[in-house]
Amino acid sequence: NAGVTQTPKFQVLKTGQSMTLQCAQDMNHNSMYWYRQDPGMGLRLIYYSASEGTTDKGEVPNGYNVSRLNKREFSLRLESAAPSQTSVYFCASSEDGNGYTFGSGTRLTVV
Amino acid sequence: QKEVEQNSGPLSVPEGAIASLNCTYSDRGSQSFFWYRQYSGKSPELIMFIYSNGDKEDGRFTAQLNKASQYVSLLIRDSQPSDSATYLCAVMWDSNYQLIWGAGTKLIIKP
Repeated sequence: NAGVTQTPKFQVLKTGQSMTLQCAQDMNHNSMYWYRQDPGMGLRLIYYSASEGTTDKGEVPNGYNVSRLNKREFSLRLESAAPSQTSVYFCASSEDGNGYTFGSGTRLTVV
Repeated sequence: QKEVEQNSGPLSVPEGAIASLNCTYSDRGSQSFFWYRQYSGKSPELIMFIYSNGDKEDGRFTAQLNKASQYVSLLIRDSQPSDSATYLCAVMWDSNYQLIWGAGTKLIIKP
């Protein structure tokens, strides 16, 4: 009964370092999403994947890349981390518009 | 620009009373409306969704939708301290199942 699994849960990066956030879902959902959440700003969409093999930019894609490896997995990569990317990152999945299921989140600090 | 507006709060309600949370949206073409609860440090979890004008009840929670006035509300009856959380309103406006999010209302239930 895992739902959406995100790793890691916490990460501290130095400016300029790279890292990949992993996300996997076991609900056979077609759509997957990456959000960032900052205080007072709500959830902002970074990238989404409507189905396996497709990805599209969201509201705040700059500085990020994604890969939909297969139907289960959707990863988010920061190529050169910046302090402005300090945030909480959530992966989510959905099917047929009946709401999203979220992972537990990754708390990223860039120093 | 599609927008979802919520009062950031905090909204303070005595235990046992009715908590009323409101959300307005800008796009008349919006199709589906969702309420999520987010405890501090946790990920959002779906409480209810509503598609049609009127009320939808689920236990102590009632969602109300008025498309003509472009608002959706969440009522929580017999409020409990465990209801203290941030409540996020989300609106789905197209067939890509993307959600537009409000910034959330912080609810505090006082014993």
